[in-house]
Formats: sequence, structure tokens, C-alpha cells
Amino acid sequence: DSGVTQTPKHLITATGQRVTLRCSPRSGDLSVYWYQQSLDQGLQFLIQYYNGEERAKGNILERFSAQQFPDLHSELNLSSLELGDSALYFCASSVGGSGGRTDTQYFGPGTRLTVL
Amino acid sequence: AQSVTQPDIHITVSEGASLELRCNYSYGATPYLFWYVQSPGQGLQLLLKYFSGDTLVQGIKGFEAEFKRSQSSFNLRKPSVHWSDAAEYFCAVGGFPSGGSYIPTFGRGTSLIVHP
Repeated sequence: DSGVTQTPKHLITATGQRVTLRCSPRSGDLSVYWYQQSLDQGLQFLIQYYNGEERAKGNILERFSAQQFPDLHSELNLSSLELGDSALYFCASSVGGSGGRTDTQYFGPGTRLTVL
Repeated sequence: AQSVTQPDIHITVSEGASLELRCNYSYGATPYLFWYVQSPGQGLQLLLKYFSGDTLVQGIKGFEAEFKRSQSSFNLRKPSVHWSDAAEYFCAVGGFPSGGSYIPTFGRGTSLIVHP
């Protein structure tokens, strides 16, 4: 158990809908990272928040957005869902904001999103 | 641009045999290199990482990896594989600097199958 929690574990929805994925980092970690894992693209970095502020941005679609709240939990919002958005979405956390260069990212178990 | 290649999609070994998983990277400067393991239904767990210094890095669960700059490789090894090592292994190179953060780029993974 990494100490990172993600809810829900599974999510099934229809095209065009909007969903929210939630992540609670390990106690004391200030950074939250979101990744998408799919068969087509592999593991892709989406976005990082550090202490409430956006720190780094990767291959995140405009239909997707995220935020980190004062209690440091984070939410990833996916809207206008398409079939191709079906994937496993991971959240990771770390103490610092370096992205894993000098501190370790701890991954949650993921949320499996299925878009029908 | 940085990239990671894991040439082997699947590797099959017998329990007790030695293991080597290959990883080649492309990176413009001194790389930060990582190996992660993903067990079924789990998030990624960091096995080891290399930033500088000794090119032979020891990790958890009896794994080690050797950084070879001349070959742009960071191969993962274990002298004796256990059935519980069956999992997906990801090599990553970090990372592109974005807002002060260094986000790793992941390879497509190698699936390790262990025969009894």
C-alpha cells in the first residue's frame, strides 16, 4: 500500500459525459501527479500540482482539467468523454515538487475509466 | 526530446533463473533513470533510480540496474527470479523540465512471466 488513495476504482460512463476522479496523496506529500495509461499510448503524464499550484503540464487534453485543494487532495475532471478516453488513470504523490528527480513518486492503484 | 525504448514486450523465465530487462534511452544531458514495477491491479512502485555517481544501482526486492552511458542503456537485473516477480516493468527517463519539475518519460513496459 503506497498510501495514495484514488476513488472510484472503476467508472463506466457514456460518451459525452463528464466525470471526476479523486486522489488523496500520502500524508505530508505536497505534489500530486496525474497519469493516463492506455494500450495505445502507454503511460502518459498529464499534469502536476504542487501545494495547490499547477507545476508541470504534459499531454493533457483541453477537455481535461485538474485542481488541488487546500487539504492537498486533487481532482481530475474529464468532460465530453470519447471512447478513446477509456484508460487507467493514476495519481501519484511526492514530498517535493521536483517531479521525482530528488524525491520519489508514490502511485495510487488507479481508476479504470470505461467510456461506452 | 527524451525517449525510452524497452525492446522486449514479454520476457519469460523460469523461477530461480537470472533476469535481465533491457532499457535504452535518448536524452540530451545526464539522464535521471528509473525502474518501476506494476503488479496486476496495482499502481507503479519504484524499484530503483539513478541520478549520478556509482553506475551500479541497488534497488528493492533484490533488483539492480547498471547505467552505461556509452550504450545509452539502463538494464535491470536480478540474479534469481521468484514467482512473485511476475509483473509489468517500466523504465523511465526523467525528465523534461517544466516549471521547475522534471517529469519522467516512461517506456512501454516489459511483461515478465515466471514459470515454476
